[in-house]
Amino acid sequence: GNSVTQMEGPVTLSEEAFLTINCTYTATGYPSLFWYVQYPGEGLQLLLKATKADDKGSNKGFEATYRKETTSFHLEKGSVQVSDSAVYFCALGPGGGNKLTFGTGTQLKVEL
Amino acid sequence: DAGVIQSPRHEVTEMGQEVTLRCKPISGHNSLFWYRQTMMRGLELLIYFNNNVPIDDSGMPEDRFSAKMPNASFSTLKIQPSEPRDSAVYFCASSPPSSPRQFFGPGTRLTVL
Repeated sequence: GNSVTQMEGPVTLSEEAFLTINCTYTATGYPSLFWYVQYPGEGLQLLLKATKADDKGSNKGFEATYRKETTSFHLEKGSVQVSDSAVYFCALGPGGGNKLTFGTGTQLKVEL
Repeated sequence: DAGVIQSPRHEVTEMGQEVTLRCKPISGHNSLFWYRQTMMRGLELLIYFNNNVPIDDSGMPEDRFSAKMPNASFSTLKIQPSEPRDSAVYFCASSPPSSPRQFFGPGTRLTVL
């Protein structure tokens, strides 16, 4: 079955530091890959996605590249801000209908 | 453009009481998902519907939980009787036809005393 593994948090960075959150997956077929972000007290929001191998998703300075050879979709940002503090979820789908398989989430804390 | 609407946003109840959580998906979406989020267990899919029909309820923890979707614009998640371990944030999400992208509501924070 499908599964997503992402690095455990919390990840604590200083403002303007470089961010990488690792995500690897196992799946049958050719899934789409997603990063969702959850700000405190809110629901999950789509941050970026990629639908096929070598695609790069990007949004708000965040990027992730769909690497089929390494089954990875690592999230990166060159310079984080305090406002990026949130929980980040890697996900893949569809799996059985429109189900998404989510990772366990990685909490990011950005300090001044 | 209204997103997924959930009510109530916060619910505090006593053990043994019935709790009903409500969700209105985005118009035109045909899949609806109920999730539970806790610190200990993370994000768990409880049940999902496609075209108002329950497709997979394997994540529903036990018979105290039930979900319905009487029409395309409304779903409920009911817990009867509630227990303190049901305390969590419950999210509803919906997705459009032929797309795995899910749109999440703001969640209902449930506290069972």
